[in-house]
Amino acid sequence: IVLTQSPGTLSLSPGETAALSCRASRTVSSNYIAWYQQKPGQAPRLLISGASNRATGVPDRFSGSGSGTDFALTISRLEPDDCAVYYCQQYIISPTFGHGTKVEV
Amino acid sequence: EVQLVESGGGLVQPGGSLRLSCAASGFTFSNYAMNWVRQAPGKGLEWVANIVFSGEDTFYASSVEGRFTISRDNSRNMVYLQMSSLRVEDTAVYYCAKDGLKIGPYFFDYWGQGARVTVSS
Repeated sequence: IVLTQSPGTLSLSPGETAALSCRASRTVSSNYIAWYQQKPGQAPRLLISGASNRATGVPDRFSGSGSGTDFALTISRLEPDDCAVYYCQQYIISPTFGHGTKVEV
Repeated sequence: EVQLVESGGGLVQPGGSLRLSCAASGFTFSNYAMNWVRQAPGKGLEWVANIVFSGEDTFYASSVEGRFTISRDNSRNMVYLQMSSLRVEDTAVYYCAKDGLKIGPYFFDYWGQGARVTVSS
């Protein structure tokens, strides 16, 4: 399954809302979609699993949604610390990742 | 606190072998599947291999099938990645990642800091 993330780069101001898209080449059943945040020089961090379930310790400014082939990550009230690359991942079969969306704040 | 600490990375010639290790702590290791995920320089993430909680089943990406072997020692809370017939395109940071479930691969809820592997002559 190929995941296409858009946009490639998102440049926003603090306090704004970021909308990241992840489109799958075929239906991802059971909403087996996860989202990760990766800051420069760091390992990825799980944000969302099951398309909309926040991981432990993740602020409620991060929310996931979607079903079928279209999924989204929304980051509300952007902060400078949110600068990172965000990856979506499907795990319905042989995990694959999207190419990432870079968020600049 | 969950901790995953990789070791064993380094420089190896094409066709060579290398073994990565990952020491896990802070959770009941034998209850979860474990994975290796890699990231080539300046590129995105690629899942490499998974081993279920018991060690009885393993799964691989097609790019490494037949060349890499994942294993675990539940008595030592360790997971390993034996890499053989290495290619230049295997150059990457290799992350040890805990699976969210007993089997998998599913999603990866904790990651180590990575081990750098460089394949070059």
